[in-house]
Amino acid sequence: EVQLLESGGGLVPPGGSLRLSCAASGFKFRSYAMMWVRQAPGKGLEWVAALSGSGATAKYADSVQGRFTIFRDSSKDTVYLQMNSLRVEDTAVYYCAKDRGYSYNDIDFWGQGTLVTVSS
Amino acid sequence: EIVLTQSPVTLSLSPGERATLSCRASQSVSTSLAWYQHRPGQAPRLLIYDASNRATGISARFSGSGSGTDFTLTITSLEPEDFAVYYCQQRKDWPLTFGAGTKVDI
Repeated sequence: EVQLLESGGGLVPPGGSLRLSCAASGFKFRSYAMMWVRQAPGKGLEWVAALSGSGATAKYADSVQGRFTIFRDSSKDTVYLQMNSLRVEDTAVYYCAKDRGYSYNDIDFWGQGTLVTVSS
Repeated sequence: EIVLTQSPVTLSLSPGERATLSCRASQSVSTSLAWYQHRPGQAPRLLIYDASNRATGISARFSGSGSGTDFTLTITSLEPEDFAVYYCQQRKDWPLTFGAGTKVDI
C-alpha cells in the first residue's frame, strides 16, 4: 500500500525558513518522480516543485523559484522541500505527491498534507 | 504558461443526476490532461489521466473525453460521495498547471 507521510509544517515568521519532509513507502521510490503541491486557504491547487526519480532534474513554479529547493534521499525513501525567504503568500497546506511514473508529470497518489503558516 | 479554465465554477445537482464539467486550455495540450477529485479534509484523488483513462479503482461512473484544448469530465448518476471539488491539470508543458476547480454540490 502506497503511503506518503508529510511532516515539518508549522508557524514561521516572514523571511524565515522551514523544511518539509515526506516519507514514502509501498512503492519503488527511485522509480518515481515526486512533487509538492500546495493549497492556500480558500484557493485551488498550485503545483510547487517536481523532482525526477534520479534526483537529477528539478522543476519549480515561478512563485518559488530561487527560494524553495526540492531534494530526495533515496536511502531513506524521503523527499524534502526546503523553503527559505518565506512570504505570507506561501501560507498553505502542502501536499507531497507521487508521479504516476518516472516522469509522467501527473499524480497518482497524494499525502494528507501539512499546514505551513507564514505570519508575524 | 498554459492556463486551464474550468466551468462552471459551481454545479448544483441532486444524487442520481448527471454532472458535466468542462476544462479549456489556453493552448493545445494534446491528451495530456488529468482530473482529480478533492473532498474537504482529504487528499486529492486521481480520477482520469491522459484525458480519458480511468485511474486504478475509479468507478465507471467517471469518464473523461476531449483533446487539444477542450475536455470534459462526466459523472453519471451522482452518488453522495461524489459531491466535491474537481480539478483538471495539464502535463504538456512546464510549469504544470491546475484549473481553478469546479465545486459539485447538492
